[in-house]
Amino acid sequence: SQTIHQWPATLVQPVGSPLSLECTVEGTSNPNLYWYRQAAGRGLQLLFYSVGIGQISSEVPQNLSASRPQDRQFILSSKKLLLSDSGFYLCAWSGGRGGGVGYEQYFGPGTRLTVT
Amino acid sequence: KNQVEQSPQSLIILEGKNCTLQCNYTVSPFSNLRWYKQDTGRGPVSLTIMTFSENTKSNGRYTATLDADTKQSSLHITASQLSDSASYICVVTLMGTGANNLFFGTGTRLTVIP
Repeated sequence: SQTIHQWPATLVQPVGSPLSLECTVEGTSNPNLYWYRQAAGRGLQLLFYSVGIGQISSEVPQNLSASRPQDRQFILSSKKLLLSDSGFYLCAWSGGRGGGVGYEQYFGPGTRLTVT
Repeated sequence: KNQVEQSPQSLIILEGKNCTLQCNYTVSPFSNLRWYKQDTGRGPVSLTIMTFSENTKSNGRYTATLDADTKQSSLHITASQLSDSASYICVVTLMGTGANNLFFGTGTRLTVIP
């Protein structure tokens, strides 16, 4: 079966500090990978998605970046965090071999980021 | 413009009562519609998925309906339990092979009280 991991679960960082959130998927290969942000009381906002190693598409211009160094690893980064970066960050996967139904997305447990 | 709107924004009901959540969409061409449940501080989990030809789908006490003509969907929860307290998100998929083809509603926050 497929499993998606995210860490850390919670993070408190000062403004201007760097960020690195990691997401890994098990039990499938060549998945599509996604990063979403969910601000308090708001819907899910797609930040980045990737259809393969080194292939990143950005949906919202901002001070965040994403990388996919391995097939099942997706990393969200920032060089300098802003207060507005606070939120709940979700990683998701879809498609791939060995699992997934069409483009149904399966979400990770999320990372709660608070920028102070 | 492809959009998904949900109502109400929030809802409080007594344990054991039924409730219905609404989802209207303008996504076209339509592929499928899913309802997700998101517990506080957790990732969303899929409840149901319906394609164009399906007008009802059940998952235990959850029953989703779809009217593709009016582009409306509802999620009916029967005999609510405290564990049903969560946000319910309607997601519509655009037909096509792109990796980015989902449109999310902002969710309905359901609170079940004893």
